[in-house]
Amino acid sequence: GENVEQHPSTLSVQEGDSAVIKCTYSDSASNYFPWYKQELGKRPQLIIDIRSNVGEKKDQRIAVTLNKTAKHFSLHITETQPEDSAVYFCAASSDYGGSQGNLIFGKGTKLSVKP
Amino acid sequence: DAGVTQSPTHLIKTRGQQVTLRCSPKSGHDTVSWYQQALGQGPQFIFQYYEEEERQRGNFPDRFSGHQFPNYSSELNVNALLLGDSALYLCASSFFVSGNTIYFGEGSWLTVV
Repeated sequence: GENVEQHPSTLSVQEGDSAVIKCTYSDSASNYFPWYKQELGKRPQLIIDIRSNVGEKKDQRIAVTLNKTAKHFSLHITETQPEDSAVYFCAASSDYGGSQGNLIFGKGTKLSVKP
Repeated sequence: DAGVTQSPTHLIKTRGQQVTLRCSPKSGHDTVSWYQQALGQGPQFIFQYYEEEERQRGNFPDRFSGHQFPNYSSELNVNALLLGDSALYLCASSFFVSGNTIYFGEGSWLTVV
């Protein structure tokens, strides 16, 4: 089955710096790669996602890149702010019976942005 | 437009008891999945329901069962609770088409004592 590995497990940056979180996946059938932000005691919130027919996607300060050949995808946050501090999870999913299958999550990255 | 709603938000149960958690999907969604998130871990897939049937199941024992109703809402039942079942239980909803976004509810915090 699919396995998603996420690095680093913790990341500390100064406000205004960039942060990069990397994930690798094992199943070449995976075609959907979302990123979730989870604040303490809250639900995972989708911040950006990318599908296998796209190599890069950007939304303001957040961007995601996908390398299908190498089976890895990355989250880039520019101009970080203290409110970006949270745990970030990557996930991968493949089609299942005509719909999107279950998400396989990485173990998470705790991002701390220091003012 | 209501998002994914779950109830109860918090509950405490004793080992051996049974628990039922409830979920209403986001308006327009017809597919519901359940995930278990232990403290400090990523969510783990339990099962997915569509058209009132279990379509996919993760690596969870038969003590975990579910149901989906005609209005697409869903229940997660856990029997013979163990201390290790203490976790945040997340409901996720989507539309049954490949490539659709999956949205999570706020979750139900279950503590087993």
